[in-house]
Amino acid sequence: AQTVTQSQPEMSVQEAETVTLSCTYDTSESNYYLFWYKQPPSRQMILVIRQEAYKQQNATENRFSVNFQKAAKSFSLKISDSQLGDTAMYFCAFMAMYSGGGADGLTFGKGTHLIIQP
Amino acid sequence: NAGVMQNPRHLVRRRGQEARLRCSPMKGHSHVYWYRQLPEEGLKFMVYLQKENIIDESGMPKERFSAEFPKEGPSILRIQQVVRGDSAAYFCASSVGQGNTEAFFGQGTRLTVV
Repeated sequence: AQTVTQSQPEMSVQEAETVTLSCTYDTSESNYYLFWYKQPPSRQMILVIRQEAYKQQNATENRFSVNFQKAAKSFSLKISDSQLGDTAMYFCAFMAMYSGGGADGLTFGKGTHLIIQP
Repeated sequence: NAGVMQNPRHLVRRRGQEARLRCSPMKGHSHVYWYRQLPEEGLKFMVYLQKENIIDESGMPKERFSAEFPKEGPSILRIQQVVRGDSAAYFCASSVGQGNTEAFFGQGTRLTVV
């Protein structure tokens, strides 16, 4: 079974600052994906960024980037030039992939509540 | 192209009643996942369905909970004889196929048991 741990229940930064959210995971699987999802007050789960475990290059999506350390089983999210609209819960998630193309459902961490102050 | 549609958005049930939560996947998606989110928690996987098949129900409580995804119509998560502990937000996600890592989420159904 997989576990995902987010050790920061809440973080608060000023607008335009850079913030890093941490995530560690534990698995015995060798083929998997890692994700960061954003959940604003509307409750909608929005995919922010996705990383394939076999890719060494860290994924980047505009102001969002990850630091994927496979040996340490660490997957942090960096948000640059933070904006008020980034205020939300952020969830780290894991998905194991199996030979033949099968996959599990997502395993989520407990989330980090990120507050961007004006 | 409408997103994943869940209804109702809010559902109030008395203890002992049945709750039916519906999920219409995105057009062209044949795989559906259900998750439960308790207050202050992340989402917990419940069940993974393909049309007319349950692929993985390892996260589903053994009693009172069932799920289906018929050939026609939405996926249904059914909770019989609800208890206070069933109060949570229930999310559905859909994807094109098994192993597709881009799952799109609905806005969830918030179930309150009184």
